[in-house]
Amino acid sequence: GNSVTQMEGPVTLSEEAFLTINCTYTATGYPSLFWYVQYPGEGLQLLLKATKADDKGSNKGFEATYRKETTSFHLEKGSVQVSDSAVYFCALVPSGGSYIPTFGRGTSLIVHP
Amino acid sequence: GAGVSQTPSNKVTEKGKYVELRCDPISGHTALYWYRQSLGQGPEFLIYFQGTGAADDSGLPNDRFFAVRPEGSVSTLKIQRTERGDSAVYLCASSPAGGRGNTIYFGEGSWLTVV
Repeated sequence: GNSVTQMEGPVTLSEEAFLTINCTYTATGYPSLFWYVQYPGEGLQLLLKATKADDKGSNKGFEATYRKETTSFHLEKGSVQVSDSAVYFCALVPSGGSYIPTFGRGTSLIVHP
Repeated sequence: GAGVSQTPSNKVTEKGKYVELRCDPISGHTALYWYRQSLGQGPEFLIYFQGTGAADDSGLPNDRFFAVRPEGSVSTLKIQRTERGDSAVYLCASSPAGGRGNTIYFGEGSWLTVV
């Protein structure tokens, strides 16, 4: 079946540090890949997405590149801010069937001033 | 409001009781999803509606859980004979249409605690 594996958190960084959150997936065919973010006290919201191999999704300074050869979609940001503290979820939508999104377990990011 | 609305935001119930959780999706969205999220875990799929029909209910854990969407808009998740293990956040999400690249939009969830 389809699955998403994320690195365990929490990830703790100082402001302006470089961020990488690893995500790998298992799926047949060519899924679409997503990062969702959940800020404290809020619902999950889309951060970025990529729908085909080698596509790069970007938003709010975050980037992730769809790597088919390594089945990965790692999230990166060059300089994190305290306001980026949140839980980040990697997700896939398969290329067939009911197109049900499958989520990873989430990675908590804590950014200190 | 413009977003997905879920009620109640918090529900405490006794073991064995019946619970209903309501979801009001974004207007015009035909696809509606229910997920369950336990502490420290990601959202776990329960059921997916396309219009009024349940297109995929393979995630419902057992026959105590069922959901309806009679007019293709508001949906209700119903849990019978609640158990302590049902305690979780129940998330509803909607999308303009099901599909490979579509973004889904989440509500803030209904926190269910079974005591």
